[in-house]
Amino acid sequence: DAGVIQSPRHEVTEMGQEVTLRCKPISGHDYLFWYRQTMMRGLELLIYFNNNVPIDDSGMPEDRFSAKMPNASFSTLKIQPSEPRDSAVYFCASSLEGLAGWYNEQFFGPGTRLTVL
Amino acid sequence: AQSVAQPEDQVNVAEGNPLTVKCTYSVSGNPYLFWYVQYPNRGLQFLLKYITGDNLVKGSYGFEAEFNKSQTSFHLKKPSALVSDSALYFCAVTLTDSWGKFQFGAGTQVVVTP
Repeated sequence: DAGVIQSPRHEVTEMGQEVTLRCKPISGHDYLFWYRQTMMRGLELLIYFNNNVPIDDSGMPEDRFSAKMPNASFSTLKIQPSEPRDSAVYFCASSLEGLAGWYNEQFFGPGTRLTVL
Repeated sequence: AQSVAQPEDQVNVAEGNPLTVKCTYSVSGNPYLFWYVQYPNRGLQFLLKYITGDNLVKGSYGFEAEFNKSQTSFHLKKPSALVSDSALYFCAVTLTDSWGKFQFGAGTQVVVTP
């Protein structure tokens, strides 16, 4: 398995532009997570999906951020308009819910390093 | 609300010596606890987890952790550290009745010197 795939790996954009980050989870996984990592705030959970349905988006910082999961193999995180304070590494992760309440670990993608100038 | 604390920003240890990375948690319910490791410019990699059962959990690369409910701790340990263990370590918690809502600690940088 190729693992969790994220694209692009690096993104440099100017303030005010729209940014779209992409994620392909591991095939068969039913949970998908978006995280943001910065030096100041550490690793923050932004939103997570179960079976393509958003379960909790309370970590999404502002209305400028939106996430979708149109099918089991693809998710996007969009920032519109982008601001310099959005500069961070964004990680996607997926996991598989086990049987009888046994929960499995998350598998993380390599991340997208976003720089907003 | 749930929270995770990693009280040490950095842990320094000589190769061959025991390594301990501390983690304490605060939850209102039954926790699921995880340890992950992050190497430079990489995503996080799973090391081990506590879900239920035996309080001593063994994981990848010779790491283990002990769940202590009374002290609300889940410290990561390795009997003999390697230089290759130098990395950033994260403790994470989620609840049994709200699976998915993960809270990660701030991370502890481990430096193992030859």
